Amino acid sequence: SQELEQSPQSLIVQEGKNLTINCTSSKTLYGLYWYKQKYGEGLIFLMMLQKGGEEKSHEKITAKLDEKKQQSSLHITASQPSHAGIYLCGAGAGGTSYGKLTFGQGTILTVHP
Amino acid sequence: KAGVTQTPRYLIKTRGQQVTLSCSPISGHRSVSWYQQTPGQGLQFLFEYFSETQRNKGNFPGRFSGRQFSNSRSEMNVSTLELGDSALYLCASSLQRGFKNIQYFGAGTRLSVL
Repeated sequence: SQELEQSPQSLIVQEGKNLTINCTSSKTLYGLYWYKQKYGEGLIFLMMLQKGGEEKSHEKITAKLDEKKQQSSLHITASQPSHAGIYLCGAGAGGTSYGKLTFGQGTILTVHP
Repeated sequence: KAGVTQTPRYLIKTRGQQVTLSCSPISGHRSVSWYQQTPGQGLQFLFEYFSETQRNKGNFPGRFSGRQFSNSRSEMNVSTLELGDSALYLCASSLQRGFKNIQYFGAGTRLSVL
């Protein structure tokens, strides 16, 4: 079965600093999803990447999927307290597993003002 | 458009009881997936329903079951509750257009088993 490993597990940064979160898959990725979660709440969809080399941006958050489609990175520029939360990467297994996503353990981001 | 709605938000049960959680998907979404989130195991897939049929299932015991109605609303049931079933249960719905399967999540139901 597919496994996703996120690094780092937690991150504490000062407001205004840039940061990167990585997500590495044990298998080829057929769609990589990034979500953000506030503690105890639901997941908020950020971005989806499908093609190797693809890069997408939303406000100050940029996500990339490497050419070999086994690793993705999420980069936040000039972090703000509103960026704090848990970031999760999720992946589909391809084939008929449309509704099933496997998630990484999450990265807890703290941003100090 | 309303988002995914899960009810109730919080639930306290005792061991041995059973519980039913409800999920109303985004209008037009026919796929509903359920996940269990715990500090130790993270976010784990339970099952997925599409057009009233269970299409995918995770590695959970038979005590966990679900169903989907003709209006795409879904329920999940856990029978004979155990302490380890305490978790945040999340439901997600998606439109499923080809390989683009963006899942939109509800706020979750926090289940505490005493």
